[in-house]
Amino acid sequence: QVQLVQSGAEVKKPGASVKVSCKTSGYTFTNDYIHWVRQAPGQGLEWMGWINPNSGGTNYAQKFQGRVTLTRDTSISTASMELSSLRSDDTAVYFCASGGNTLSHDMRLDYWGQGTLVTVSS
Amino acid sequence: EIVLTQSPATLSLSPGERATLSCRASQTVDIYLAWYQQKPGQAPRLLIYDASNRATGIPARFSGSGSGTDFTLTISSLEPEDSAVYYCQQRYKWPPITFGQGTRLEIK
Repeated sequence: QVQLVQSGAEVKKPGASVKVSCKTSGYTFTNDYIHWVRQAPGQGLEWMGWINPNSGGTNYAQKFQGRVTLTRDTSISTASMELSSLRSDDTAVYFCASGGNTLSHDMRLDYWGQGTLVTVSS
Repeated sequence: EIVLTQSPATLSLSPGERATLSCRASQTVDIYLAWYQQKPGQAPRLLIYDASNRATGIPARFSGSGSGTDFTLTISSLEPEDSAVYYCQQRYKWPPITFGQGTRLEIK
């Protein structure tokens, strides 16, 4: 079955960077986009961007342009999200999600990781 | 950016009752709307994709309808485990992919 397993919780100081990983299994990693979505405490879901694991191409929400970098390592079927210049309002649970075929530019989010809590505090 | 507005914000119903959740888009999203269920401390779970298609393993009491700008998620006979926050999401026009603000469903 499809599984996305994310790295563990992080505590960072303002101004630092954080990198969250998402290891996938149960499907062909290069077939489907990987998206990143975050959820601040008690708030809704916010889409950050996607990476095409086949080409390495990315697309970011304007809000995060210049601060977020999505990468992938096809040899270990793992995607990563790095967010820099952290602020207190970046405190959130960060999710990876997959499901949309890259050949058809399908932006479905069928399968989700368990989430990674990133806390930004001085 | 396409804005999705969900109503009501909170819904409180009893087991066995029917729940109707609404999602309205600021412009057409054709049929490219999904519904997710999220329980506390868990990731969202896909319920419905492309407006009316149930995802794998989703019980038949969950159904979706609509197209264009107005969509509905119906839970035909509520179970206690249906207590959760429900989000709609569009993938018709991006970036960005957008979500509604959520409807909290409470089972009395």
